[in-house]
Amino acid sequence: DVKVTQSSRYLVKRTGEKVFLECVQDMDHENMFWYRQDPGLGLRLIYFSYDVKMKEKGDIPEGYSVSREKKERFSLILESASTNQTSMYLCASSLSQWRVGGSPLHFGNGTRLTVT
Amino acid sequence: SQQGEEDPQALSIQEGENATMNCSYKTSINNLQWYRQNSGRGLVHLILIRSNEREKHSGRLRVTLDTSKKSSSLLITASRAADTASYFCATEYTGGFKTIFGAGTRLFVKA
Repeated sequence: DVKVTQSSRYLVKRTGEKVFLECVQDMDHENMFWYRQDPGLGLRLIYFSYDVKMKEKGDIPEGYSVSREKKERFSLILESASTNQTSMYLCASSLSQWRVGGSPLHFGNGTRLTVT
Repeated sequence: SQQGEEDPQALSIQEGENATMNCSYKTSINNLQWYRQNSGRGLVHLILIRSNEREKHSGRLRVTLDTSKKSSSLLITASRAADTASYFCATEYTGGFKTIFGAGTRLFVKA
């Protein structure tokens, strides 16, 4: 079974802090994703990566950056945390998009971030 | 926004009844996926249907896809209290390589 592990289940940070959210997958997946989930808005894509050192902006990249130095690890960085970044953050991975017909996403259990 | 829409937003049924959730989307897709989320947890993949498929089954789940109407439905037959969860549809758009989620349907199955 694919395992996607997010480093923290709950996190509380202060406004202006630099925040790192870590995600590791153990199935050699090419693609990795960061979403945030807010009530009534569903999941919104922040960034995704389809290869080491490659990244693409999702729908709401402002205020975030990412790093993918190794295939199994995808980090989300909040350069200067703000209260409107309080949310549930979900990491996911999948096989390459070149796979015919597509591939499902495998999710971690999420990090609930509170910025005060 | 490319985000799809689920309908209804919430659904409450009795155990043993069938539950139907609908999803609409906006542009051409490679595939459409359905996920389940138990409260406060990550999402679990249920079923993936490709753009050239019209119907797919998995256990008590039945998914249909109508690309001409840009819509899909998820049917859960003989529902159980354990099916209580939020259900999301997600679309992988052609040329974009990203998977976009709808806002979800909250299903409550009463024992």
